[in-house]
Amino acid sequence: EPEVTQTPSHQVTQMGQEVILRCVPISNHLYFYWYRQILGQKVEFLVSFYNNEISEKSEIFDDQFSVERPDGSNFTLKIRSTKLEDSAMYFCASSVGGSINEQFFGPGTRLTVL
Amino acid sequence: QKEVEQNSGPLSVPEGAIASLNCTYSDRGSQSFFWYRQYSGKSPELIMFIYSNGDKEDGRFTAQLNKASQYVSLLIRDSQPSDSATYLCAVKGGYQKVTFGIGTKLQVIP
Repeated sequence: EPEVTQTPSHQVTQMGQEVILRCVPISNHLYFYWYRQILGQKVEFLVSFYNNEISEKSEIFDDQFSVERPDGSNFTLKIRSTKLEDSAMYFCASSVGGSINEQFFGPGTRLTVL
Repeated sequence: QKEVEQNSGPLSVPEGAIASLNCTYSDRGSQSFFWYRQYSGKSPELIMFIYSNGDKEDGRFTAQLNKASQYVSLLIRDSQPSDSATYLCAVKGGYQKVTFGIGTKLQVIP
């Protein structure tokens, strides 16, 4: 069964460093998403991406964040200058459509900022 | 602020019993409703979705939606110890953003 994959599974970085989290969505899916989950808290929407552009973003997704689809398969989340409070699980998800289609999540990347 | 409310639990049920998980949401414009299961340290796994008022059954799971009351529920029949997890209610409006509740931790006691 097709699934969303993410790399790395765990990323440790120093505060102020840039990190890039990578995702390979399910191949026939057209919509891609990033969510984060701080330990013990809710899963929070960050951004959705369709047709090579951001279609929706939350207030969390500020200028420190960017997304890109550099080739036909990868979807990346970049955090330019990490803060301690960026430490969280970051989940990539994808869906066939954007209106009501269900989103399937990858296994996540645990980001630890020291 | 669009909110999705769930009792964080834990909800403890004996093996073989029915587990009933509830969720309310604030945005009347919400169109799609999902239940995800999340094991500790793992990603959310979609188990049910419902778009119309009423019940939807899939195996041991039944999702119930009442848009007038802004209420979604999930019933798990014949609960098994392997069902022990956190169940996330998620709600989607007209765009792509999905808003999650805090999740209800379910413990099935053998």
